[in-house]
Amino acid sequence: GESVGLHLPTLSVQEGDNSIINCAYSNSASDYFIWYKQESGKGPQFIIDIRSNMDKRQGQRVTVLLNKTVKHLSLQIAATQPGDSAVYFCAEKEVDDYKLSFGAGTTVTVRA
Amino acid sequence: DVKVTQSSRYLVKRTGEKVFLECVQDMDHENMFWYRQDPGLGLRLIYFSYDVKMKEKGDIPEGYSVSREKKERFSLILESASTNQTSMYLCASSSAGTGNNEQFFGPGTRLTVL
Repeated sequence: GESVGLHLPTLSVQEGDNSIINCAYSNSASDYFIWYKQESGKGPQFIIDIRSNMDKRQGQRVTVLLNKTVKHLSLQIAATQPGDSAVYFCAEKEVDDYKLSFGAGTTVTVRA
Repeated sequence: DVKVTQSSRYLVKRTGEKVFLECVQDMDHENMFWYRQDPGLGLRLIYFSYDVKMKEKGDIPEGYSVSREKKERFSLILESASTNQTSMYLCASSSAGTGNNEQFFGPGTRLTVL
């Protein structure tokens, strides 16, 4: 089946720098793209989502960019903090579907 | 504070045993989900339920069954546990319908099958 995947399994970032986490997808029927954060010992937590008719959406310290031409999305975290150390998953969903399809995840480590 | 709880954080079972994983949510959510999480594979959907007594297969239902007798509780059953079912199991819930992308996850159950 089609899958959602991340370009890099790990990312090391200096505290205070901006982080960019990338994700490629292949399902053209996907209507929503979602980012989740999983801290050690916890379940994933919703960060932000974007619909396919948008190319940018901003939240608190985070921005998601969607490029449908190359089937790519990214999550940008501004002024990365130690609390941002986690595994980040992108996920996709088709319209009128209950199911999310998750990528493999990127582990972000913030260096002090 | 909204909460999804899972019956055990760690579980060790033997091959061939019947295993029950329980999940309870206190948010009055209609939708509930069971995933397994393996390194390098992300989260894969096993089963989900959009209402009491309703269930739908996810991407990897083989070897699993589920039960949803009450709105707040969703159980995952391994009829005869095998070593390849050693994994982290995550339960999640979300509000009614398909328009909500936010699923609330429990802390997970790490199951080891010997």
